[in-house]
Amino acid sequence: DAKTTQPPSMDCAEGRAANLPCNHSTISGNEYVYWYRQIHSQGPQYIIHGLKNNETNEMASLIITEDRKSSTLILPHATLRDTAVYYCIGHSGGSNYKLTFGKGTLLTVNP
Amino acid sequence: GAVVSQHPSWVICKSGTSVKIECRSLDFQATTMFWYRQFPKQSLMLMATSNEGSKATYEQGVEKDKFLINHASLTLSTLTVTSAHPEDSSFYICSARDALGLALVEQYFGPGTRLTVT
Repeated sequence: DAKTTQPPSMDCAEGRAANLPCNHSTISGNEYVYWYRQIHSQGPQYIIHGLKNNETNEMASLIITEDRKSSTLILPHATLRDTAVYYCIGHSGGSNYKLTFGKGTLLTVNP
Repeated sequence: GAVVSQHPSWVICKSGTSVKIECRSLDFQATTMFWYRQFPKQSLMLMATSNEGSKATYEQGVEKDKFLINHASLTLSTLTVTSAHPEDSSFYICSARDALGLALVEQYFGPGTRLTVT
């Protein structure tokens, strides 16, 4: 798995875009970047994943740098319910893959 | 998205007793399920991987005789904490991988079970 580095915490104002960075400088060519989040006392929730191209879904956008050494998860209009720990994970999948979590970034959305 | 349920959502038990936690995939079949444990203010720690019809694979440092895992069907896995002690108090989360989905598809997580051992 790629080693990922995320800031331990970030704050964002409600209604503004939240930009969560992730460094994965050792990511290999076949490893995807996955983002999950965990709201307090709940199970993790899948957000988005990507390989090379930027991706967007109903929850967020994922911007991956051209060299793939870092990425940014963007929540375009953060709400109070987006307060959670966000995990960036790099892996190549496969039937035997085991998803492991680092410390993530605690995003606090303030009113 | 796919739904994974856990039962119970919370449980309080006395030291020395055993507790069973169920994990079900509600709208898909899961050949592989995972069990995680999370202590307060810490990240999720993978405990074991269970494949339907075979023995679970435990991560290093996890006692297989204490945390019994059964994955008897494609929609149900159970975790039994045997002879529970206060240090086993934690948030237990299961996860399931869709048997028919792509290998790269996201894993689906249950809502977690809060275990408190008194």
